[in-house]
This record gives sequence, C-alpha cells and structure tokens, in this order.
Amino acid sequence: AQSVSQHNHHVILSEAASLELGCNYSYGGTVNLFWYVQYPGQHLQLLLKYFSGDPLVKGIKGFEAEFIKSKFSFNLRKPSVQWSDTAEYFCAVTPKRDTGRRALTFGSGTRLQVQP
Amino acid sequence: KAGVTQTPRYLIKTRGQQVTLSCSPISGHRSVSWYQQTPGQGLQFLFEYFSETQRNKGNFPGRFSGRQFSNSRSEMNVSTLELGDSALYLCASSLAGGTAISYEQYFGPGTRLTVT
Repeated sequence: AQSVSQHNHHVILSEAASLELGCNYSYGGTVNLFWYVQYPGQHLQLLLKYFSGDPLVKGIKGFEAEFIKSKFSFNLRKPSVQWSDTAEYFCAVTPKRDTGRRALTFGSGTRLQVQP
Repeated sequence: KAGVTQTPRYLIKTRGQQVTLSCSPISGHRSVSWYQQTPGQGLQFLFEYFSETQRNKGNFPGRFSGRQFSNSRSEMNVSTLELGDSALYLCASSLAGGTAISYEQYFGPGTRLTVT
C-alpha cells in the first residue's frame, strides 16, 4: 500500500517570504500526484496535479510543484506568499496501476500561517 | 455549474444509532468517492462508486456502506455508530475515464457528524 509523508505540520511565514512544503510518498510503482488546499471554512480544492511529462507543474494562485522521481518527492513551492495563502495543504497520490480508480491517499497536511 | 452538494451539513447522533449522508455530484460526473476526515487520522478513503457499482473500498469496517443511484447521486450509511465515528465526511466527484482531467476530484463541503 502507498503512503504519503508531509514533514512540516505547521509553517509560519511573513508575507512575501518564499514557501516550500515537503511531500514524500512511498510506493513501488508509478503514481499520480496532487496538492490540495483547504482554506478556512472552505472546501478542499485542487491546487495542481502531476500525471506525466514535465516534472515541474504549475497550478493555480502562483503555486508550482516539482516531481523528483529518484527522491519520491513532490514538493510544493511559491516564490512569494500572501496572507490569503493561509490554509491547510495536503499532498495526495493514486497509483497509476489503478486505472480508472480515484482513491486518494493523503498526507497528514501542513498548516500554513502567513503573517501580514 | 453547481458544485458538489452534501446534506445534511451537520448531524448529531447517539451511539448505536445509524446515519445516512447524501451527496450530489457535479452534473456529468459519474464517479463519487467518500472520505473521512478526523484530527487524529487525517483524510482517509472510504469507498468509490461508479455507474452504481462500488469500484474501490478503503480499510473501514462493514458498518460503513454506500450506494449510488442511476443519476450518480450517492449515499453513505454508518450503522451502530461509535464515538470514534465523529468526523467530517467528504464526498468528491470526478469525470469517468482514464484521462488526466478525469482524476481531478471536486470536493463538497462535507457533513460534520458528531456521535455522543
């Protein structure tokens, strides 16, 4: 079975600081990778995803993530955070072998607090 | 386009009772997945339905069940409620098929279940 680790549980940054949230997965095969965000009081929403091709993917609101296969990592980055980025961020995977299936395995989440 | 809707939004039940939660997917989405979110265990996959058939199941006891109707609406049922079933239950819908875009899951606001 696959698993996902998010090492930073709570991150506090000042506005304009750069952000990098770590995500590592454990699985013997190839995976699809996702980052979801949950703003206070709002639904989980998809930030970005990686299926194949360019390992550097860009998502909404200026976020990007890089898939490094050799490190089983999919770290989320943003060059300059804003107060509105305060939220909880979840990394998730699905095995590619489960074609058609949608079951996401989530990491434990990282709570990001951006101070004005 | 209307998003994923879940009813009710809040529920309070007593141990031993049963509960039914409802989810209406985005129009045109035929895959519906259910997740449980708790502070201790995080986000965990319960099951996925597609074309009225359970396609995938997570590691939950048989007290948790679900079904999908011909209009893709889904319900989940929890029988003999336990205190540990208190959680936010999230429903997510997605398109059918194996294309990249079909793996994008759209989450509803959740049903907050409290078991006393």
